[in-house]
Amino acid sequence: QVTLRESGPALVKPTQTLTLTCTFSGFSLSTSGMCVGWIRQPPGKALEWLARIDWDDDKYYSTSLKTRLTISKDTSKNQVVLTMTKMDPVDTATYYCARMTWFGELFAAFDIWGQGTMVTVSS
Amino acid sequence: DIQMTQSPSSLSASVGDRVTITCRASQSIGSYLNWYQLKPGKAPKLLIYAASSLQSGVPSRFSGSASGTDFTLTISSLQPEDFATYFCQQTYNSPPYTFGQGTTLEIK
Repeated sequence: QVTLRESGPALVKPTQTLTLTCTFSGFSLSTSGMCVGWIRQPPGKALEWLARIDWDDDKYYSTSLKTRLTISKDTSKNQVVLTMTKMDPVDTATYYCARMTWFGELFAAFDIWGQGTMVTVSS
Repeated sequence: DIQMTQSPSSLSASVGDRVTITCRASQSIGSYLNWYQLKPGKAPKLLIYAASSLQSGVPSRFSGSASGTDFTLTISSLQPEDFATYFCQQTYNSPPYTFGQGTTLEIK
């Protein structure tokens, strides 16, 4: 059974750096084709794709947030870490990690998600 | 980045109704379109991938279709558990993989 769980602080102050950890089980990020991504949803707003890391350590970032984001993996611990610098109240959101699966080697989708972790940015 | 325009933003319907949600891509994305269901406090759920392929375990009342840059999610007969928020997502070419603005399906 594949599961993912996000963890991190519930409250951060403006200008601080947020560090979120995604701990997963049921698959290995060292397996060819495996990818994990981060997505967030501000209260009452749309989902926003943030970042993705692949089994071969390729990394991809949101165009608008790429200067603030860093994604990394620890394969031995089955964890993916996302850091976001210069946090602002507009970054208040539920942050999700999700496994990305390839269907037919062409079509990618996030097939298993964590339940999300709510992060509030406030002084 | 590719923009996804989803409509309507909200929809009121009754159990048993047939409902349709639409997403339009700002450029051609082939069939690289997914649909997700979100419920408060629960992990989001993949419903449809590759525009029209039903994810394993998803009820057959859900279906997806494509016509050019327009994509449709249809629920043929609404069930009480279907009242939720739905998002489309494009996964064309390389990231970023943008989402639509979402559609909240409410009980009439």
